[in-house]
Amino acid sequence: DGGITQSPKYLFRKEGQNVTLSCEQNLNHDAMYWYRQDPGQGLRLIYYSQIVNDFQKGDIAEGYSVSREKKESFPLTVTSAQKNPTAFYLCASSIAGTGEETQYFGPGTRLLVL
Amino acid sequence: EDQVTQSPEALRLQEGESSSLNCSYTVSGLRGLFWYRQDPGKGPEFLFTLYSAGEEKEKERLKATLTKKESFLHITAPKPEDSATYLCAVGSTTSGTYKYIFGTGTRLKVLA
Repeated sequence: DGGITQSPKYLFRKEGQNVTLSCEQNLNHDAMYWYRQDPGQGLRLIYYSQIVNDFQKGDIAEGYSVSREKKESFPLTVTSAQKNPTAFYLCASSIAGTGEETQYFGPGTRLLVL
Repeated sequence: EDQVTQSPEALRLQEGESSSLNCSYTVSGLRGLFWYRQDPGKGPEFLFTLYSAGEEKEKERLKATLTKKESFLHITAPKPEDSATYLCAVGSTTSGTYKYIFGTGTRLKVLA
């Protein structure tokens, strides 16, 4: 079955710790995205990538980092510089990232701070 | 500034009571309009994509329509299993940059 997987489902972060969220897709999509979802707010774009070895900052990139070494994978690291990381994180992919094709989402990772 | 607004924020319906959800948008260059369904604690599930004014798409009890300023998601004779948050998103282009803008969603509760 084609789709997007995210792991873990829940992640706990301690003060000063960096944590990495995994996102893998087998849809053969070129574009991948990371969003943050908070209660009462729309999805906010953190980073996106339209091609391997290239990525762009979204609206709320501060405190986050990404890499895109393989087409299938787009991991997100939440660094200690992100002071309010508690949120639901969603990874998505689309064929090319031109704004006209559908984005497909993974099941999400909920990040909590200890 | 590009913006997507959904209304109402929350809606309670009796089973079988039809209604509509609204998604109004102001964007400089519309590329597509997308509807998703999201259940609590899960990722959004794709429902429809619309590209031009006058376009309509249907799936079971759901029908999406698009005008130049807004989109409606019509729910006919809803059932309790239709309870979810419905998200609207717009794909747009500005100065060669493409982006997707999401609304805050409508939380639908269908009572048996």
